[in-house]
Amino acid sequence: QSALTQPASVSGSPGQSITISCTGTSSDVGGFNYVSWYQQHPGKAPKLMIYDVSNRPSGVSNRFSGSKSGNTASLTISGLQAEDEADYYCSSYTSSSTRVFGGGTKLTVL
Amino acid sequence: EVQLVESGGGLVQPGGSLRLSCAASGFIFSSYNMNWVRQAPGKGLEWVSYISSSSNSIYYADSVKGRFTISRDNAKNSLFLQMNSLRAEDTAVYYCASSFSEWVEGAYSTSPTSFDPWGQGTLVTVSS
Repeated sequence: QSALTQPASVSGSPGQSITISCTGTSSDVGGFNYVSWYQQHPGKAPKLMIYDVSNRPSGVSNRFSGSKSGNTASLTISGLQAEDEADYYCSSYTSSSTRVFGGGTKLTVL
Repeated sequence: EVQLVESGGGLVQPGGSLRLSCAASGFIFSSYNMNWVRQAPGKGLEWVSYISSSSNSIYYADSVKGRFTISRDNAKNSLFLQMNSLRAEDTAVYYCASSFSEWVEGAYSTSPTSFDPWGQGTLVTVSS
């Protein structure tokens, strides 16, 4: 159950777009369309932003989008805003019926 | 309002035990799969355990297998995590989280492998 690989940090200016990658294996990310993304502000519980690779829960801005190619999933945030500054985590279902998270990515809005 | 409230955290010595609870309200608890997820201080999220709505399916992370036991009481809208043989590396905020589903404009969406909503977490500290 190795953690999925995410960049430790990404940054962007307001209005720009950024992409966070999440790399796994064919036993998790690549094997299922069950990747989800979470936003976590300091001291708060995580919030679901994307489920099943590319679906947005109601209430989540359409500036957030998800995709997947092979063993790598991606979260794209367009039109960056100051309130997007947070930690982001990906998660995947695995072939062992367990779940695994990525190590997390700190997004800084410059 | 959908709400999950964890309790039972605290300070425990290495080798000790603790039982966490998660009280659910505002939704039909018995219809939802549930999970425990933890976060060590300053670290990332780690999935701990899963239990299906009827308790028929249960899974654990390798790091806790054989030491932790997940259970639920649908009649009392409650989820539990019995933690035995605790180690310093189990120190973390423990969150309970439901599988995701929602009704939007007459359409039902669900994702059994996604986590939403989450509780506010309860801190477990394992130290002598």
